Amino acid sequence: EPEVTQTPSHQVTQMGQEVILRCVPISNHLYFYWYRQILGQKVEFLVSFYNNEISEKSEIFDDQFSVERPDGSNFTLKIRSTKLEDSAMYFCASSALAGAQDTQYFGPGTRLTVL
Amino acid sequence: KQEVTQIPAALSVPEGENLVLNCSFTDSAIYNLQWFRQDPGKGLTSLLLIQSSQREQTSGRLNASLDKSSGRSTLYIAASQPGDSATYLCAFEYYGQNFVFGPGTRLSVLP
Repeated sequence: EPEVTQTPSHQVTQMGQEVILRCVPISNHLYFYWYRQILGQKVEFLVSFYNNEISEKSEIFDDQFSVERPDGSNFTLKIRSTKLEDSAMYFCASSALAGAQDTQYFGPGTRLTVL
Repeated sequence: KQEVTQIPAALSVPEGENLVLNCSFTDSAIYNLQWFRQDPGKGLTSLLLIQSSQREQTSGRLNASLDKSSGRSTLYIAASQPGDSATYLCAFEYYGQNFVFGPGTRLSVLP
């Protein structure tokens, strides 16, 4: 069964460093998403992406964050200058249709630890 | 701001019991809702998707219902098994926004 994959599974970085989290969505999906979950807290929406541009973003997704689909398969989340509070589990998801009409399939997540 | 709550926060039951997990939302202008399962340290697995025009969905031992007028959704698990132990999350998608997640119910099914 097709699945969303994410790399790395765990990333440790120093505060102020840039990190890039990578996702490979399911191949025929057109809509892509990033979520995060701070330890012990709710899953929070960050951004959705369709047709090579951001569809929606939350107030969490500030200028330090960016997303890109650099080729036909990868979908990346970049954090330009990490802060301690960026430590969280980051989940990528994809869907064939817009979220209202279709199930979102989630990857296993990348655990980001900022020291 | 939309809020999603889940009751109970944690639940421990003996194997074989039928159980109900509850989810409440404050704004009835929803597109759909999904119930997810999250295993410790893992991603989210979608269990059921209910469109706003539907009232319930069933998959195997799982049944989810949606009552927009009361702002509630329930997930019913029949004949629970130890393998059902996980955190169960409900998430609502609102018009013009993406998913708003509840805090989850941590379920333990004891053999």
